[in-house]
Amino acid sequence: EAQVTQNPRYLITVTGKKLTVTCSQNMNHEYMSWYRQDPGLGLRQIYYSMNVEVTDKGDVPEGYKVSRKEKRNFPLILESPSPNQTSLYFCASKQSGGQGRSPLHFGNGTRLTVT
Amino acid sequence: AQSVTQPDIHITVSEGASLELRCNYSYGATPYLFWYVQSPGQGLQLLLKYFSGDTLVQGIKGFEAEFKRSQSSFNLRKPSVHWSDAAEYFCAVAPLFSGGYNKLIFGAGTRLAVHP
Repeated sequence: EAQVTQNPRYLITVTGKKLTVTCSQNMNHEYMSWYRQDPGLGLRQIYYSMNVEVTDKGDVPEGYKVSRKEKRNFPLILESPSPNQTSLYFCASKQSGGQGRSPLHFGNGTRLTVT
Repeated sequence: AQSVTQPDIHITVSEGASLELRCNYSYGATPYLFWYVQSPGQGLQLLLKYFSGDTLVQGIKGFEAEFKRSQSSFNLRKPSVHWSDAAEYFCAVAPLFSGGYNKLIFGAGTRLAVHP
């Protein structure tokens, strides 16, 4: 089954403790992206990757890191989480090209709480 | 700046009633337009999309949307709502200029409740 898999689904941590949220897709998509969802703000893009070893900042990249060493994986790293990073996070992927016509496929989300 | 506006934060309808969710975008040219649905505890699922051509597009689950260039709108409709349609709905646009196709800009979402 074609899917985007995020882990964990729920995570509670404390300020400053490094964490990684994993994302994997099995559709051979070149493009992957991370979003955070906050009430009243919709989804905002954190980082995206056009292909292996190619990453770029989205609208809200501060406090986050990503890497793309393999095509299928795109982990999101919070080196020193802070309470304002408490949010619902989504990973998504799609085929590149097509001038934006390819739809995004989303994972089921990771709810992060930083205390 | 490009933006997507969904004026209604919450909408409640009775089962069997018709539904229209509003979406307006602010952008110089017609972007690609999408509607996604998010059920509780789930990721976002694509309902339908508009690129060009016929301004009335059909999607999954009985939804349709109409693009109106003069109003910069892309409203989502369903003739008869089912209880399972209760979810949050997001309108999104993909700008067309160079590099812009990498990004989807989302509206804030409309939460739909359905009364039996």
